[in-house]
Amino acid sequence: DVKVTQSSRYLVKRTGEKVFLECVQDMDHENMFWYRQDPGLGLRLIYFSYDVKMKEKGDIPEGYSVSREKKERFSLILESASTNQTSMYLCASRSQAFTRKQETQYFGPGTRLLVL
Amino acid sequence: AQKITQTQPGMFVQEKEAVTLDCTYDTSDPSYGLFWYKQPSSGEMIFLIYQGSYDQQNATEGRYSLNFQKARKSANLVISASQLGDSAMYFCAMRESLGNQFYFGTGTSLTVIP
Repeated sequence: DVKVTQSSRYLVKRTGEKVFLECVQDMDHENMFWYRQDPGLGLRLIYFSYDVKMKEKGDIPEGYSVSREKKERFSLILESASTNQTSMYLCASRSQAFTRKQETQYFGPGTRLLVL
Repeated sequence: AQKITQTQPGMFVQEKEAVTLDCTYDTSDPSYGLFWYKQPSSGEMIFLIYQGSYDQQNATEGRYSLNFQKARKSANLVISASQLGDSAMYFCAMRESLGNQFYFGTGTSLTVIP
C-alpha cells in the first residue's frame, strides 16, 4: 500500500513564526503536491514538485515556499505565519507514468494548522 | 474559468436511497481523466472512482458509478443504497493529459439520514 505521511495532524503556531510541514511518501513517486483546503473553496494547489530540487508554483504560492532535497520528502514552509494561513494542509504524491492515466494522487492524512 | 464545478454545497439523502452528486468540467484537452474522492470528517482523502475521457463505458466501483456525459462535460457520481458511513465531503477532480496537476471542485457535503 502507498503510504503518505505528514509530520503533524494538528499544529498551533503564533503569527510571525516560521512553520515547517513535512511530507514523506514511500512509493518512489516523482510527483509531490501541497494543497490547502478551506470550506467552500475546495483544494487549492500551493506548490508541486516533479523531481528532486524541482518545483512549480500552483494557484496560491504567495506566503509559502517548498523544499525537495530527497525524492521521498517534500516540505512546505511558511516563512512568517499569518492568521490567514490557518487551514487544512494536504500533501499528495503520484507517479510520473503518463501511461497510467487512471492512477490517483495518494494523500496524506492532512495537517490542521491554527495560526494565532 | 473554473476547471471543475460542483454546484451542490450540501445534499441530504435517506438511508438506502440513491443519490447523485453533480460535477461539470471545462477542458479543451481531448484526453483527460476524472476522479472522485471522499473525505470523511477525519480528513483523509479516499479515492473512489476514475473515468477516462476515451472510456466507452461509465465507470463503476461497487456502489459507486459515474454518469459520464462527454458532450455535456459532466461526470456525476451516483451512490446507490446510501449508508450512514457515506456521510462525508465528496470532491470531483480532473487531470489533463500532459499535466501533473489535478484540478479539484469545491466539494459537496453529503449527509445520510437514518
